[in-house]
Amino acid sequence: DIQMTQSPSSLSASVGDRVTITCRASQSISTYLNWYQQKPGKAPRLLIYAASSLQSGVPSRFSGSGSGTDFTLTISSLQPEDFATYYCQQTYSTQGFGQGTKLEIK
Amino acid sequence: QVQLQESGPRLVTPSETLSLTCTVSGGSINNYYWSWIRQPPGKGLEWIGYIYDSETINYNPSLKSRVTISLDTSKNQFSLKLSSVTAADTAVYFCARGSVGYYYMDVWGQGTRVTVSS
Repeated sequence: DIQMTQSPSSLSASVGDRVTITCRASQSISTYLNWYQQKPGKAPRLLIYAASSLQSGVPSRFSGSGSGTDFTLTISSLQPEDFATYYCQQTYSTQGFGQGTKLEIK
Repeated sequence: QVQLQESGPRLVTPSETLSLTCTVSGGSINNYYWSWIRQPPGKGLEWIGYIYDSETINYNPSLKSRVTISLDTSKNQFSLKLSSVTAADTAVYFCARGSVGYYYMDVWGQGTRVTVSS
């Protein structure tokens, strides 16, 4: 099985900050990597697919990069509505999610 | 606009079978991957499996021996059965639509909380 490791597990930041979340795969997954945002009591929302493609309707402050084993999700300027938990997901082989990164207000 | 809605019992007795249905409205069930994902209280997401058609089904190896996912195109529904449940299967269960190619899940149901308890 492919293991997905996100870092950090939690992060405190302020409105306006630039934030980067990292996801590492235990083996190469090409660009079969997606990012989701989840708020409490809600279903996850797709942000980025295929490592770097922005889902329709998602603000352009969100961006993704990487290929192979190392990936990043960047929020260029945090907004109040961005405080949530973020998950990466690999779909290269028998899908799996990272453990999540909780983004909190500093 | 495609919408998904989970339905089924909210309380399941240990050792019994959990059964959920996801109804797809506003679009066709054909030509997409249809997934089940769960989230235990306070924990992360766990992919359970997906179905594309009767010959294209994939399960999480950790659950494979207990899971069955099926598709009813006439009703625009797909279903999940999880047998021999224990308290560890207590979770919010989500259904979602996956794309062909990269399998990203772009439409989700709101989720339904299922508790396993006697």
